[in-house]
Amino acid sequence: AQSVTQLDSQVPVFEEAPVELRCNYSSSVSVYLFWYVQYPNQGLQLLLKYLSGSTLVKGINGFEAEFNKSQTSFHLRKPSVHISDTAEYFCAVSKGDYKLSFGAGTTVTVRA
Amino acid sequence: DAGVTQSPTHLIKTRGQQVTLRCSPKSGHDTVSWYQQALGQGPQFIFQYYEEEERQRGNFPDRFSGHQFPNYSSELNVNALLLGDSALYLCASSPAGGNTGELFFGEGSRLTVL
Repeated sequence: AQSVTQLDSQVPVFEEAPVELRCNYSSSVSVYLFWYVQYPNQGLQLLLKYLSGSTLVKGINGFEAEFNKSQTSFHLRKPSVHISDTAEYFCAVSKGDYKLSFGAGTTVTVRA
Repeated sequence: DAGVTQSPTHLIKTRGQQVTLRCSPKSGHDTVSWYQQALGQGPQFIFQYYEEEERQRGNFPDRFSGHQFPNYSSELNVNALLLGDSALYLCASSPAGGNTGELFFGEGSRLTVL
């Protein structure tokens, strides 16, 4: 079975500052990795995904993540955040069977 | 192209009652999954339907049941509601023949059990 640990439950950050959200996973098989964003009172929207190939993955809204197999990590980064990036961010893992295991989430609050 | 749609968006029930939630998948998708997201937590997998059959199930009691119709839409039923069933219930669909593992989510049905 796969599991995901998001190391930060809350991340406050100032507008235009960089942000990094940390995610570690455990699995005995090869996995696919995802980051989803959830804005208040909305469903989940895919930010980016790692399936194979280049370990640096670029997603929507200027986000990127790096897959590190040796450290079993998939950290999410953005070089300069906006107020509109205030949301809940979820890291998830799948073995390709469309069953996702999610972390507990990281709340990002961007302040002016 | 409509995405995943869910109904109702909000509902309130009392303990012991039964509830049915509905989901229409994104056009071209044939697999529907249901997730429960309790307040302040990540979504938890309930079950997945494909070709009108339950294909996978998470660690949820038999009070949680589902159905998929020939048009790929789906229902989630919860019997004998408990206070702990209060949550956002998310439906997600995935494309026919796809292999990326990516899910497309609806905006959810928020259930409050009093």
